[in-house]
Amino acid sequence: DAGITQSPRHKVTETGTPVTLRCHQTENHRYMYWYRQDPGHGLRLIHYSYGVKDTDKGEVSDGYSVSRSKTEDFLLTLESATSSQTSVYFCAINRQGANSPLHFGNGTRLTVT
Amino acid sequence: KNQVEQSPQSLIILEGKNCTLQCNYTVSPFSNLRWYKQDTGRGPVSLTIMTFSENTKSNGRYTATLDADTKQSSLHITASQLSDSASYICVVSPSNDYKLSFGAGTTVTVRA
Repeated sequence: DAGITQSPRHKVTETGTPVTLRCHQTENHRYMYWYRQDPGHGLRLIHYSYGVKDTDKGEVSDGYSVSRSKTEDFLLTLESATSSQTSVYFCAINRQGANSPLHFGNGTRLTVT
Repeated sequence: KNQVEQSPQSLIILEGKNCTLQCNYTVSPFSNLRWYKQDTGRGPVSLTIMTFSENTKSNGRYTATLDADTKQSSLHITASQLSDSASYICVVSPSNDYKLSFGAGTTVTVRA
């Protein structure tokens, strides 16, 4: 999606290693979200941010931390990756406020071996 | 338990045919219901958004309906095209919480 860039797009890592995923937006929006998507499940919220240094937990936040030191960047960190964190991770923003449709990046496919 | 259930899980249709996808939800109180389209390897893209007072919303060949009394929504695809092959996700927003409830999606395959 124009305006949202996720990096890397693909990553393979070993159990126990730290991993950081980056979401970058070019549109200066306040709300940013991290979701994970697994087969047979709906997208699940990991963490979200409502401004610089303002973040909160979602429904599946255990094992994840986030940081937002600049409006345009929202980082998701797996402190010690586990196989259960193998998933596709999506970043999203609200372009018109908290109740507007989400706009998603194209995802990061993470494999933990 | 997932508060948004979609059916069928997957379906195959011939190009030019119509199809209807179902979404049942238990989220309450309810603010709005959204349908997204997700192409393989891409993020979901919004198709429609309906508040509890709206019964139908169209976006080109996509028509969404909502029955807030029975807590059911449907997405109808008319005259399907190969580019309609994707996963379609129903998302419900509660009125008292920011957290959205996502269905697991219906995978549609359109064949020539």
